[in-house]
Amino acid sequence: GAVVSQHPSWVICKSGTSVKIECRSLDFQATTMFWYRQFPKQSLMLMATSNEGSKATYEQGVEKDKFLINHASLTLSTLTVTSAHPEDSSFYICSAPSQAGYEQYFGPGTRLTVT
Amino acid sequence: DAKTTQPTSMDCAEGRAANLPCNHSTISGNEYVYWYRQIHSQGPQYIIHGLKNNETNEMASLIITEDRKSSTLILPHATLRDTAVYYCIVLTTSGTYKYIFGTGTRLKVLA
Repeated sequence: GAVVSQHPSWVICKSGTSVKIECRSLDFQATTMFWYRQFPKQSLMLMATSNEGSKATYEQGVEKDKFLINHASLTLSTLTVTSAHPEDSSFYICSAPSQAGYEQYFGPGTRLTVT
Repeated sequence: DAKTTQPTSMDCAEGRAANLPCNHSTISGNEYVYWYRQIHSQGPQYIIHGLKNNETNEMASLIITEDRKSSTLILPHATLRDTAVYYCIVLTTSGTYKYIFGTGTRLKVLA
């Protein structure tokens, strides 16, 4: 079946630095991808919709200048957490919808720890 | 806000059927019900989806009430590997197909 990958699977960074997370659709094209954040023992929270060739659409309360999203190709979306702080430590997950229907393929997630 | 309500947690004995309910009383006529599960520290995994009719696949069965205001996911013979958080999602059909996750049900399968 269709696969979505994420890189890196985990990252530790110092406070104030920026971190880039990649999301790739491996065997299908995705004009739209979604980014979620998940804190421990909580549900997934949709952060933004990444649109190939255009600006991302952010959910209410998500700072677009802090979470930069770039969807430069049909198989790659990136999320950059700028000037990361310890409160940004979380599990970040991306997904891409299937071409045939509404099913979403989720990546394995990236665990970010900011020290 | 999430459009679904699920019990916070459930236990099920290994080998028995696990029945996970979901309330979606405000569902619209053209909205689908999707079920995913998330095993610890992994991305969610698709299980099944339906619109009106009951559905079955190799993983589970989905029973949707006639008024479509609730549904039940059935894992016919639960195993320890089915321990996970199960999410019931009503798909918003605003054109972007984005998912809004509720709190989900934490299913624990007991040996």
